[in-house]
Amino acid sequence: DSGVTQTPKHLITATGQRVTLRCSPRSGDLSVYWYQQSLDQGLQFLIQYYNGEERAKGNILERFSAQQFPDLHSELNLSSLELGDSALYFCASSVATNTEAFFGQGTRLTVV
Amino acid sequence: GQSLEQPSEVTAVEGAIVQINCTYQTSGFYGLSWYQQHDGGAPTFLSYNGLDGLEETGRFSSFLSRSDSYGYLLLQELQMKDSASYFCAVRSGGSYIPTFGRGTSLIVHP
Repeated sequence: DSGVTQTPKHLITATGQRVTLRCSPRSGDLSVYWYQQSLDQGLQFLIQYYNGEERAKGNILERFSAQQFPDLHSELNLSSLELGDSALYFCASSVATNTEAFFGQGTRLTVV
Repeated sequence: GQSLEQPSEVTAVEGAIVQINCTYQTSGFYGLSWYQQHDGGAPTFLSYNGLDGLEETGRFSSFLSRSDSYGYLLLQELQMKDSASYFCAVRSGGSYIPTFGRGTSLIVHP
């Protein structure tokens, strides 16, 4: 157990809908990363937060947004969902921006 | 931009040694990490190389050559439970964001 908690574990929703994925980082970690992993694909970096502020953006669609709250938990919001958004969404956390990241168990999103 | 190349699949027998290579192209290279992921599970951190040379952690070792933009993960005394995907990831640029390769599927046969 990495200490990173993600909820829900599974999510099934219809096209056009909006969902929110939640991540609680390891105790003491200030940096949170979100990654998307589609079938047989590598981990695509979406966005990073550090101590409440957005630090870096990757291949994140405009339909997606995220935030990190004062208690350091983070939420990833996915809207106007499409079939192609079906994937595993991982959250990772690290103490700082240049230390190793530890991953949660992921949220498996299925869009039908 | 950044790119990483690693073999898509490697097979080996139980008890053997296997090496998974990773070559990368990036600017502002900071370090190379390795992660293990079992089907549908969380990527698990295995090792990190910031400097040239070999890092050993139990049955797993990782090597980096910065001048060759190359690294590898060496798994010894393979066990069935080592069957998984292995990802190399570079940390580079000012943001140090781990950028992952597409992963190598390791299949260990009895």
